Amino acid sequence: KQEVTQIPAALSVPEGENLVLNCSFTDSAIYNLQWFRQDPGKGLTSLLLIQSSQREQTSGRLNASLDKSSGRSTLYIAASQPGDSATYLCAVPLRGGTSYGKLTFGQGTILTVHP
Amino acid sequence: KAGVTQTPRYLIKTRGQQVTLSCSPISGHRSVSWYQQTPGQGLQFLFEYFSETQRNKGNFPGRFSGRQFSNSRSEMNVSTLELGDSALYLCASSWTSGSFEQYFGPGTRLTVT
Repeated sequence: KQEVTQIPAALSVPEGENLVLNCSFTDSAIYNLQWFRQDPGKGLTSLLLIQSSQREQTSGRLNASLDKSSGRSTLYIAASQPGDSATYLCAVPLRGGTSYGKLTFGQGTILTVHP
Repeated sequence: KAGVTQTPRYLIKTRGQQVTLSCSPISGHRSVSWYQQTPGQGLQFLFEYFSETQRNKGNFPGRFSGRQFSNSRSEMNVSTLELGDSALYLCASSWTSGSFEQYFGPGTRLTVT
């Protein structure tokens, strides 16, 4: 059974800092890994999706890396801003490739960026 | 392109009642999945539909059911509501074109009193 863990559970940083969020998974036979952002009481916004054949993906100030062999992914946020404050979640689909809509989520990292 | 839409956005029901939630996927997407989010359990998978067929089901009681229509719109139904069913219900859609990226709707906040 796939288990996804995110560290740290919460992070508070001053504006402008570069930061790293961590995600680990127990079954390395993943098809892809997706990072999401969730604002309080809202739905999930997809940030980055990394295919299993990729090592990293970049979007603006965000960079996500994937190391399947060690079961880890990191989300790097450069020059953090107060607007980055949210919960960040990583998720992987069900192994087997027949049900990509069944995602296993980590518990999330609550990020607070203060001015 | 319009995103995933969910209706209603907020709902208050009484224990024992039933409720139906609706999800309209992004145009062209054929896969719809449903999740329950609570503070204690986090995000838990309910079920996934593709081309009107249920492909996978999570570990929820039979009171939770769903269906998908020919236009890919999906509904989920919860019968005999319990207080513990209070949660944010999220649906996600994707198109099996290779990336399988999941796009989520804004959710329906269900409160059971």
